[in-house]
Amino acid sequence: AQSVAQPEDQVNVAEGNPLTVKCTYSVSGNPYLFWYVQYPNRGLQFLLKYITGDNLVKGSYGFEAEFNKSQTSFHLKKPSALVSDSALYFCAVSQRRSSASKIIFGSGTRLSIRP
Amino acid sequence: GAVVSQHPSWVICKSGTSVKIECRSLDFQATTMFWYRQFPKQSLMLMATSNEGSKATYEQGVEKDKFLINHASLTLSTLTVTSAHPEDSSFYICSANRDLGLAGPTDTQYFGPGTRLTVL
Repeated sequence: AQSVAQPEDQVNVAEGNPLTVKCTYSVSGNPYLFWYVQYPNRGLQFLLKYITGDNLVKGSYGFEAEFNKSQTSFHLKKPSALVSDSALYFCAVSQRRSSASKIIFGSGTRLSIRP
Repeated sequence: GAVVSQHPSWVICKSGTSVKIECRSLDFQATTMFWYRQFPKQSLMLMATSNEGSKATYEQGVEKDKFLINHASLTLSTLTVTSAHPEDSSFYICSANRDLGLAGPTDTQYFGPGTRLTVL
């Protein structure tokens, strides 16, 4: 069975500092890994994904994530946080298939950037 | 590209009535769409996988007679909450995978903006 863990309910960072939002996963076989962001009362916006290739994936708004197979992790990072980055972040995993696969979401981490 | 819309964005209804929510892929075709439910300050829970031209696949614990899904075209899936009750009040979100013809669907799901349902 697939599962995703986001161990931190909330992450607080000062503006300009680097941020990390943690994610670990469990899936049989090779995973598809995703990060999405959600602003209040809105749907999810795609940030980035790992399918194959380089372990460091770059995405929207300056975010990046590093796939670590040995640690089964896919932490989201940004070198310099902005107040506008404050939102709810979801890590997600799906199993590679030829057809569209359902995605399993983590519990979410609320990122708060203070000025 | 890859825009998904939902209608309505919010709805308030009386207990016992039925409510239909539409999910449309505006600039791409989607054989497969997904319906999620999100409670306040919680993650998204997958309710069902909607397949164009066939019956939806429901997750364990989701009543298929309660949450009717119809995927009549490659750009439209509908979720009907039948005989709604206050406990059905929630934020409902759909997503879609873009079809690439013979190459199959893409691996990324694109999400709609969500529909907030309040049942009085």
